[in-house]
Amino acid sequence: TQLLEQSPQFLSIQEGENLTVYCNSSSVFSSLQWYRQEPGEGPVLLVTVVTGGEVKKLKRLTFQFGDARKDSSLHITAAQPGDTGLYLCAGALGNTPLVFGKGTRLSVIA
Amino acid sequence: GAVVSQHPSWVICKSGTSVKIECRSLDFQATTMFWYRQFPKQSLMLMATSNEGSKATYEQGVEKDKFLINHASLTLSTLTVTSAHPEDSSFYICSARILAVPYEQYFGPGTRLTVT
Repeated sequence: TQLLEQSPQFLSIQEGENLTVYCNSSSVFSSLQWYRQEPGEGPVLLVTVVTGGEVKKLKRLTFQFGDARKDSSLHITAAQPGDTGLYLCAGALGNTPLVFGKGTRLSVIA
Repeated sequence: GAVVSQHPSWVICKSGTSVKIECRSLDFQATTMFWYRQFPKQSLMLMATSNEGSKATYEQGVEKDKFLINHASLTLSTLTVTSAHPEDSSFYICSARILAVPYEQYFGPGTRLTVT
């Protein structure tokens, strides 16, 4: 069974602070996708990382894929209340179903 | 990004009745779609993989006779919850995959099912 360990599970921070979410696995993934989900809605794809060592930036969000394609991180700079939500990482291995982490529930307090 | 729609967004039904949920990929073709169930404050639980033109593949523990999946076209998959019971109440989300590297998956907005 492929597992994707995501940490932390819960994070409550003040507006303006920085944070990092981690996803780790013993498996090598062909790609890794990060999603953000708000209550009562479906997950929204934020980014897909494919190449080992790849770094992608989306405004204040920085995504990194580990060199060995086993781990990934999401760093948010100067968090805002609008960043509040459930962040999910999901690893892909070819055309098999995505393997999801348990999610990180982020709360940014104004 | 690609768009996936889901209908209805919420439904309330009586115990013993059946409910059909539709999932459509609006701007791309999807030979593979996925159905997930999500419990409060938890991650997504894969129920089944829906393959266009063939039988769905169900995850262990998911009753295929209770959760009927039909993927009749490259843009539509349906999930029918048969003889619904209150324990079937949940948030159901579908997802469609683009069949090209890196196989990105796009999710529908979800359907909140409440069985009374």
